[in-house]
Amino acid sequence: GAVVSQHPSRVICKSGTSVKIECRSLDFQATTMFWYRQFPKQSLMLMATSNEGSKATYEQGVEKDKFLINHASLTLSTLTVTSAHPEDSSFYICSASPVVLTEKYQETQYFGPGTRLLVL
Amino acid sequence: AQTVTQSQPEMSVQEAETVTLSCTYDTSESDYYLFWYKQPPSRQMILVIRQEAYKQQNATENRFSVNFQKAAKSFSLKISDSQLGDAAMYFCAYRNEKLTFGTGTRLTIIP
Repeated sequence: GAVVSQHPSRVICKSGTSVKIECRSLDFQATTMFWYRQFPKQSLMLMATSNEGSKATYEQGVEKDKFLINHASLTLSTLTVTSAHPEDSSFYICSASPVVLTEKYQETQYFGPGTRLLVL
Repeated sequence: AQTVTQSQPEMSVQEAETVTLSCTYDTSESDYYLFWYKQPPSRQMILVIRQEAYKQQNATENRFSVNFQKAAKSFSLKISDSQLGDAAMYFCAYRNEKLTFGTGTRLTIIP
């Protein structure tokens, strides 16, 4: 249980184009999903918290107009990197916490497999 | 702001032996959660173990156990009977409103 998927797993795009990454909770509902960015050999940095049916909350220093987040349902959140540039190349990971389950699952974030973005 | 510190960038252990990874954190909160996540070369983050701050008993999951010292704000991970599949980056994480990660410890298993 508690499986999160991401699509695509890898994407290469030209500078100036937009890229959409999907994050789905497959066997549970998630009111809140999270988007992280990870540079090589570094830790995960929270970019934004995605709330179903409302606007995302962005961390300081993250451009909300560049990284558009939509949380349309309790099982799907999307991250769109708009007008991507080479410096946006990175590994993007989403996570989700179950709405309500047994104590074992509460407050635990389950992570997707990540999306590797390369902007040429 | 909460901070999580992992002072060991790299660790190695002989297969079948025991290794302990260190983690300290800083917070003024009394109610929070602590986690250890594993990130193998596939880069999939995998939950290893979790600890609720209000519980005094140390969490255990098979070969993985923690030493949670709330007053000292310490949360170390012990891996017993190390296996080749345990090789990965290990991240300690603190959660109150959001999840804050440490810088990670790369664990190598020596056959």
